[in-house]
Amino acid sequence: QITLKESGPTLVKPTQTLTLTCTFSGFSLTSSGVGVDWIRQPPGMPLEWLAFTSGTDDKHYSPSLRSRLSITRDISKNQVVLTMTDMDPVDTATYFCAHGVDYAFDVWGQGTMVTVSS
Amino acid sequence: QSALTQPASVSGSPGQSITISCSGTDSDVANYNLVSWYQQHPGKAPKVVIYEGTKRPSGVSNRFSGSKSGNTASLTISGLQAEDEADYYCCSYTRSGTWLFGGGTKVSVL
Repeated sequence: QITLKESGPTLVKPTQTLTLTCTFSGFSLTSSGVGVDWIRQPPGMPLEWLAFTSGTDDKHYSPSLRSRLSITRDISKNQVVLTMTDMDPVDTATYFCAHGVDYAFDVWGQGTMVTVSS
Repeated sequence: QSALTQPASVSGSPGQSITISCSGTDSDVANYNLVSWYQQHPGKAPKVVIYEGTKRPSGVSNRFSGSKSGNTASLTISGLQAEDEADYYCCSYTRSGTWLFGGGTKVSVL
């Protein structure tokens, strides 16, 4: 059974860097065709894809946020970490990590709400 | 990179069929059979109902089906039920190796 869970701060100040951790189980992030993605959703707004890392350590980022995002993986801990720099109130959202396979997100974490406010 | 275009809302009566459209460009929907669809109930994480354009994951009702014509993908829900009332999002793989979501469609069961 595949599970994912997001963790990180619930409140960050403007200009700070956000670090979120996705801890997963039930699969190995060393296989081709498998990945972990980060997706966010501001309150009342649509989903927005952010970043992806694969079993082959391939990485892709949203073009509009590429300069602010970094995604890394720790295979030994079964974790994927997303960092987002220069946080702004518009970045207030629920952040999800998801298991990617067959070009879709088949299992999602519960999400973690992050508020950006001074 | 603009979001894929979906209608803001679609409604139908129980038992009816509804179709949600998802329009993209040559950089995404038109050139890849890699559109997925997600159902999201309030306060919950999204759930995939269609992947690779037309495939249905195990456990998803066969009332959900996907199709594509040109740069527009579609999700059809047949035999509409009260439990289908939710937000639905399309998502496409893109030429840049990234993913792009639609703006979402609120489905109401009258």
